[in-house]
Amino acid sequence: DQQVKQNSPSLSVQEGRISILNCDYTNSMFDYFLWYKKYPAEGPTFLISISSIKDKNEDGRFTVFLNKSAKHLSLHIVPSQPGDSAVYFCAASAANFGNEKLTFGTGTRLTIIP
Amino acid sequence: DGGITQSPKYLFRKEGQNVTLSCEQNLNHDAMYWYRQDPGQGLRLIYYSQIVNDFQKGDIAEGYSVSREKKESFPLTVTSAQKNPTAFYLCASSTRSGPQHFGDGTRLSIL
Repeated sequence: DQQVKQNSPSLSVQEGRISILNCDYTNSMFDYFLWYKKYPAEGPTFLISISSIKDKNEDGRFTVFLNKSAKHLSLHIVPSQPGDSAVYFCAASAANFGNEKLTFGTGTRLTIIP
Repeated sequence: DGGITQSPKYLFRKEGQNVTLSCEQNLNHDAMYWYRQDPGQGLRLIYYSQIVNDFQKGDIAEGYSVSREKKESFPLTVTSAQKNPTAFYLCASSTRSGPQHFGDGTRLSIL
């Protein structure tokens, strides 16, 4: 039972354009969402998070949007840079589980084309 | 530099042997976690610990064991009971309310 889904295994975007990565979830108890970036043979690096009391959170080139009614979140990267090429994971947790129980999606491989 | 150190980066063991993966953090984080990643899949939680001398099973704890005798250390033992141990293992830590931060992982291969 995949509670967090990233339906696009890969995405290619031209350098300088906007990258949009999508994530859907099924568990209505999820109320905290995170995005991680991962390079090969390294651990994931935390990028940005959003609580369910917000619908948008911005940090530099990265913006996360949350649509609770659609159970959908997206990560926007603008402008995209070659160093953004990596695998991106979304993750979710529910307040009654605390911060401990993160459920991860399967990841989207983003390739930025110079 | 503050961070999470996992060692070794690559580990080979014969089938039927237990093997212990090391995870140390100097971030003064209370909570520590172990995940497993298989090709094409997301991270799956094996065990986590919120405080010293206490830990809880995650979603795939069978065939694994952990200990938390010190705040900065959370070793994971992959026992011979784990049916498919070859995988990429990731350790993470966090404050009680902050995001989890990860080490660079250990790739375990069973020969």
